Amino acid sequence: DTAVSQTPKYLVTQMGNDKSIKCEQNLGHDTMYWYKQDSKKFLKIMFSYNNKELIINETVPNRFSPKSPDKAHLNLHINSLELGDSAVYFCASSLPGQGLNIQYFGAGTRLSVL
Amino acid sequence: AQKVTQAQTEISVVEKEDVTLDCVYETRDTTYYLFWYKQPPSGELVFLIRRNSFDEQNEISGRYSWNFQKSTSSFNFTITASQVVDSAVYFCALSEGFYNQGGKLIFGQGTELSVKP
Repeated sequence: DTAVSQTPKYLVTQMGNDKSIKCEQNLGHDTMYWYKQDSKKFLKIMFSYNNKELIINETVPNRFSPKSPDKAHLNLHINSLELGDSAVYFCASSLPGQGLNIQYFGAGTRLSVL
Repeated sequence: AQKVTQAQTEISVVEKEDVTLDCVYETRDTTYYLFWYKQPPSGELVFLIRRNSFDEQNEISGRYSWNFQKSTSSFNFTITASQVVDSAVYFCALSEGFYNQGGKLIFGQGTELSVKP
């Protein structure tokens, strides 16, 4: 069983559309994250949720809205997609205890905005 | 400010060579955690190691070894007798220990390692 799973793996869409990426973890972790990897492979935190509560919102445009229906899920909804949103989006999860715990990543979702 | 620098953008070696990937970090915190992740061509991020700021012991795991030196704020990664399967992008990352940081990982730019047969 995959520990952190993201769907879809690939997402191709037109500018202006709205899309969602889903993330689920079966590790029993309380904290979940979204990271963005740009075309130069630079990884940056977007959001962090602990027990369904938003902990980090790292200057991400309002068009991005994370939603955590329960501890095991953290979805990312993106409105009015722009060309600059093209990237690989990674979901991750970890146990409580914040920084000291290992973050396990999903396989990533490659978003291409045309 | 927190920052992680991996000065080597790309490294190319021939199989069986040893290679060291450099990582230098900046933080004001006394409690922090350092990580290495591997991103193979398939794209996933694979955890390799975690060290905390209080433990400067070097670590060896098979062909992999890590050298943590607080005096130089470095956490370098050495692969001994490299193999083609080691070809990947390697990321060094920093996480600080305070709750309000949310445990976010601050990544370096990554070092792309190419091991040629």
